[in-house]
Amino acid sequence: QLQLQESGPGLVKPSETLSLTCTVSGASISSSGYYWGWIRQPPGKGLEWIGSVYYSGSTYYNPSLKSRVTISVDTSKNQFSLKLSSVTAADTAVYYCARHAEIAVVACWFGPWGQGTLVTVSS
Amino acid sequence: DIVMTQSPDSLAVSLGERATINCKSSQSVLYNSNNKNYLAWYQQKPGQPPKVLIYWASTRESGVPDRFSGSGSGTDFALTISSLQAEDVAVYYCQQYYTTAITFGQGTRLEIK
Repeated sequence: QLQLQESGPGLVKPSETLSLTCTVSGASISSSGYYWGWIRQPPGKGLEWIGSVYYSGSTYYNPSLKSRVTISVDTSKNQFSLKLSSVTAADTAVYYCARHAEIAVVACWFGPWGQGTLVTVSS
Repeated sequence: DIVMTQSPDSLAVSLGERATINCKSSQSVLYNSNNKNYLAWYQQKPGQPPKVLIYWASTRESGVPDRFSGSGSGTDFALTISSLQAEDVAVYYCQQYYTTAITFGQGTRLEIK
């Protein structure tokens, strides 16, 4: 059964870089052929796609966040990671990792999702 | 970016009654070459991640009760719950995947009247 688990600091200072990792179990990132994505949700608000990565390292980013986002993959650890630089309070959110639902296609829906991790940006 | 706008923002429906949530995209999400609408619906319950209900605008995900249905084409879509159950209380989101700049609607909160 495929499972995703986010991990990383729950508190980040303004202007610093937010770093999160998603560990995938129950399937191999490198052989499954899917894209893997990050989505965030500010407290009490809606969903925002951040970006996605393929096992080859190919990435797609939300244009509004592209200048601050780096998503990478480590197939040896079956993990993919998110880095968001120059964070502000507006980046406070629950961050989810998820698998894209169709093989080798980034333009599709998501499923399954991790449980999410709250990251607060505050000094 | 394609902007997704849901209506209403919140909705209260009696148990057993029909609930309809609307989603409008700022441009068509119908891909003419395959006649598919690149739209999905999700359900999010408190403290849980979203769960996909519908994709391709009207295809129900495996295991989703058949009281959930999706309709619409082009720019106007709807998610209908034919007979509301207590466990359907949640926030519902639409999502377009017509472009690789994936976007979601702002969400519709569904409650019991």
